[in-house]
Amino acid sequence: ETGVTQTPRHLVMGMTNKKSLKCEQHLGHNAMYWYKQSAKKPLELMFVYNFKEQTENNSVPSRFSPECPNSSHLFLHLHTLQPEDSALYLCASSQASGVNTGELFFGEGSRLTVL
Amino acid sequence: RKEVEQDPGPFNVPEGATVAFNCTYSNSASQSFFWYRQDCRKEPKLLMSVYSSGNEDGRFTAQLNRASQYISLLIRDSKLSDSATYLCVVNVRDKIIFGKGTRLHILP
Repeated sequence: ETGVTQTPRHLVMGMTNKKSLKCEQHLGHNAMYWYKQSAKKPLELMFVYNFKEQTENNSVPSRFSPECPNSSHLFLHLHTLQPEDSALYLCASSQASGVNTGELFFGEGSRLTVL
Repeated sequence: RKEVEQDPGPFNVPEGATVAFNCTYSNSASQSFFWYRQDCRKEPKLLMSVYSSGNEDGRFTAQLNRASQYISLLIRDSKLSDSATYLCVVNVRDKIIFGKGTRLHILP
């Protein structure tokens, strides 16, 4: 069983829908991340949370809204998305974010399709 | 120039051969370096960290050249199970940046 669990695994939504992606980590980590993985592009860092505080917003459009209620849970709220937002959204966690950050533990991802 | 650059491949290599991947990074302030592996339709997983003195883990050897801003991964005696995408990863001022990855196919 993976230490980082993401739901739903697959999501299809229209451009006017509101949906949320959920991530939960059972590893006792203090940092959590959202990454976007599109075909033929590198993994793109979206958001970083350290001890529930957002420490990085990598110029992500406001139609993506993260929420981190505690160190174990991370959400990505989706609203009025565009077809080009279709991608695999990966959640990850680590001991802490910083210069010594080493291993990221990823969830299996939520594959999003926007129609 | 991209922050982390890799040859996308694919590399088609016969089983038992040695294969080498290269990666360059643009930011001289980069602090730490890693190789991750991603299997098809799976999440990335850490393969190994890369240390300045070079390091080895079984059939895998990683090298770092800070002067040239270059990282390499060598796989010896390749196995069918080594087929995957190999991601070069760099920690730049606390941001973890991934390369696009190099696809490797080991042929029986």
